[in-house]
Amino acid sequence: GQQLNQSPQSMFIQEGEDVSMNCTSSSIFNTWLWYKQDPGEGPVLLIALYKAGELTSNGRLTAQFGITRKDSFLNISASIPSDVGIYFCAGHGSSNTGKLIFGQGTTLQVKP
Amino acid sequence: EAGVVQSPRYKIIEKKQPVAFWCNPISGHNTLYWYLQNLGQGPELLIRYENEEAVDDSQLPKDRFSAERLKGVDSTLKIQPAELGDSAVYLCASSLTAFGEQFFGPGTRLTVL
Repeated sequence: GQQLNQSPQSMFIQEGEDVSMNCTSSSIFNTWLWYKQDPGEGPVLLIALYKAGELTSNGRLTAQFGITRKDSFLNISASIPSDVGIYFCAGHGSSNTGKLIFGQGTTLQVKP
Repeated sequence: EAGVVQSPRYKIIEKKQPVAFWCNPISGHNTLYWYLQNLGQGPELLIRYENEEAVDDSQLPKDRFSAERLKGVDSTLKIQPAELGDSAVYLCASSLTAFGEQFFGPGTRLTVL
């Protein structure tokens, strides 16, 4: 089946630094979504991307839908302690079944 | 607006015992999802409902797992009997339509001893 590979697996950065993480697949995805999950909670949608090449921002977060439709990245600028959590990419594959496939997550830790 | 409600939040049982999880989606959301999340992994879809109909249950281990959404609102996921490998977080999500934004509940953390 379709899979998403996220990198890096974990990051430990200093407050104020910028962060970049990405997600790749060997097959085409029709949508790319980025979620954040805090401990003991369910994932929360941060950004949704619907067209190849689309670049979308949400505050300090910016994400892009790759031109090949096989990758996406998420950037966080000027990180703050509350950015700590696990970030998941997810997408709807080309089979158009409505099934959302998740990556394995990037764990972000921010040192004040 | 209330979010997706799940109960219980935590459950500890011995292997071979039955267990059930309950989910109440956001009011008006027709699509309901049950996901399994293992430690260090992303959520994996178990079953998706459109109203009361299960439209994708290909990943649900049907020998021990069952789910229902009888009136097209709240839903129950059951495991009988539970095995050690079932220890995980079970997430429920809902969306207005099949491709709409999915809102997740806090999950039920199951520990099987």
